[in-house]
Formats: sequence, structure tokens, C-alpha cells
Amino acid sequence: QQPVQSPQAVILREGEDAVINCSSSKALYSVHWYRQKHGEAPVFLMILLKGGEQKGHDKISASFNEKKQQSSLYLTASQLSYSGTYFCGTEGYPGETSGSRLTFGEGTQLTVNP
Amino acid sequence: DSGVTQTPKHLITATGQRVTLRCSPRSGDLSVYWYQQSLDQGLQFLIQYYNGEERAKGNILERFSAQQFPDLHSELNLSSLELGDSALYFCASSVEPGNTQGEQYFGPGTRLTVT
Repeated sequence: QQPVQSPQAVILREGEDAVINCSSSKALYSVHWYRQKHGEAPVFLMILLKGGEQKGHDKISASFNEKKQQSSLYLTASQLSYSGTYFCGTEGYPGETSGSRLTFGEGTQLTVNP
Repeated sequence: DSGVTQTPKHLITATGQRVTLRCSPRSGDLSVYWYQQSLDQGLQFLIQYYNGEERAKGNILERFSAQQFPDLHSELNLSSLELGDSALYFCASSVEPGNTQGEQYFGPGTRLTVT
């Protein structure tokens, strides 16, 4: 089942913070985050495995709450280059029919203005 | 540049026709994935191959088929095309075969327009 992302879109001024959420109705083994700029291919940001870890990538970090089947992506002190559509991809447990593939959410469109 | 190549970049064809999209994965990657992205939509997983074998299947239509060749390049065949098949088709590759999937590297995509 497709994870649900919120918000659908967010507009920021440079330097502001944002949080993008990703929720699933099924148990998750991992959550992956990608960013896609208009007309380009998605680019990998990070993977979070079960265990509730938090990862960081420059000023972009993410958390994964396995019990709640949720992940959040945190963008702090946003830069113009952060603009794009952010997708979360969820992976089920090995052995499940959908276990070995990612199911992507609809995406969150982030616009950072000067 | 992700290292994944896709050809052609653009494809315009008529309804009922058949097309083949080609993908070459990054050097050393054994897994290839195909995704469909319709206008302003998310990424819909179609199919995955690992070292020549089908690994996972998504909501791929029966009119669509794919294969991965011994040199690891992959082709996605779309037949009896309909207007609704117009989309951006991405190929991605990874080292991992699946389950605990590693980073996927996406190619630039093939934009298919069915008229």
C-alpha cells in the first residue's frame, strides 16, 4: 500500500525550517527518501532501517518510528537548492509479497523562495 | 550524472504501437528497476530484475514486459499503447538485490508521448 505524505506542498523562505511526514498502514522494514527537481531524475537522500534511528545529511535529517510506521524528514535552514519534490519510499518486511520493492508516496512539493 | 543511461530520451508514437525502452545500469550494479511517473504523480514501481532474473513485480500491465540481458542492460517493452501510457519512465539500478535495499541510482528517464 502506498504511504501517505504530508503536507502535499510547502513554501518556505530561505533559512526557514520544514518537516515532511510519511505514514504507512503496514509494518515497515525501511524508509527511503529521495528528492526530485523538476524535469530531472530522483536523487537519493537517505535510508532509515527499522530501529528508530535518525540520520543526517548536511542540514537534512530524518527519523523513523517503526512502532508508529512513520518517518519524518527535517529540513533546517533551508536553501534555494532544497526546492523540489520529496518522495518517501517504504519497504516491507522480507518474505512479504511486496517485500523486495519500494512503494513511493505521492510526494511533497517544496519551494524555497529568496 | 548517476551513471545510469536510458535511451531514447523522448519517444512520440501513436496508439496501438509498440516501443522499447533501454536502460544500462551503473557499472557493477546487478539490480535494475523500472518505474512509471505520470504527470505530477509519484513513482509507480513496475518491475525489478536482479542479475538477469525477475525479482519483484509491481502493477505492471500485461501489455508491458521487460527483461535483463547477460550484459545487465534491461529493456522495457510497451505494446498496444494507449493514451494513458504517456508518462516518464525511469530506470534505476542498485548493487543490492532487494529486501534490504540500498540506494537506487536513477537514470534521466524516457519521456513517452502517445498520440
